[in-house]
Amino acid sequence: GAVVSQHPSRVICKSGTSVKIECRSLDFQATTMFWYRQFPKKSLMLMATSNEGSKATYEQGVEKDKFLINHASLTLSTLTVTSAHPEDSSFYICSASLLGTNYGYTFGSGTRLTVV
Amino acid sequence: AQTVTQSQPEMSVQEAETVTLSCTYDTSENNYYLFWYKQPPSRQMILVIRQEAYKQQNATENRFSVNFQKAAKSFSLKISDSQLGDTAMYFCAFLEETSGSRLTFGEGTQLTVNP
Repeated sequence: GAVVSQHPSRVICKSGTSVKIECRSLDFQATTMFWYRQFPKKSLMLMATSNEGSKATYEQGVEKDKFLINHASLTLSTLTVTSAHPEDSSFYICSASLLGTNYGYTFGSGTRLTVV
Repeated sequence: AQTVTQSQPEMSVQEAETVTLSCTYDTSENNYYLFWYKQPPSRQMILVIRQEAYKQQNATENRFSVNFQKAAKSFSLKISDSQLGDTAMYFCAFLEETSGSRLTFGEGTQLTVNP
């Protein structure tokens, strides 16, 4: 089945530094990947849609200069949180679709980011 | 804009019993897809079941089944013979073909299966 690998699973960084999260589709090519943010006991909030070879599409209210998304290949998308602050601490999840989005998405295992 | 509503923030059920989680949605589209996702304590999102709006037959996956009422815009999930491993947050999600493949999630229902 389709597997989306997300790394790291946990990361702690200091305020002002940047952290990169990787999302890889292991056994399929994903022209589109999605990045979500999830607060404790809350639903998933779509941050941006990552398209291979083109600029990401950001949801309203998401700072594109803070959350840099790169989708340089059909199997890898990265989210870089730049100049991180404690309020950026959250759970970040990526997803992609193997058979077409109408068949549902496969999600990465998520990254818990803590900014101290 | 599409909205998905899950009116039950928390539910509990005894092991081996049946429980139904509710979900309603709002859309003006005719072609769309509905999903239930499960997020256990590990926080890994897992697809439970999928329904195509143009299919009248309710989807079934082993112990999981849905009651899809298109006119009422309702999409409930029934879990039969509940197991301890079913304890998780359950999210109802909506996808319409013209949305750019974006899923809209409900707020979730935390289900606890008690031994």
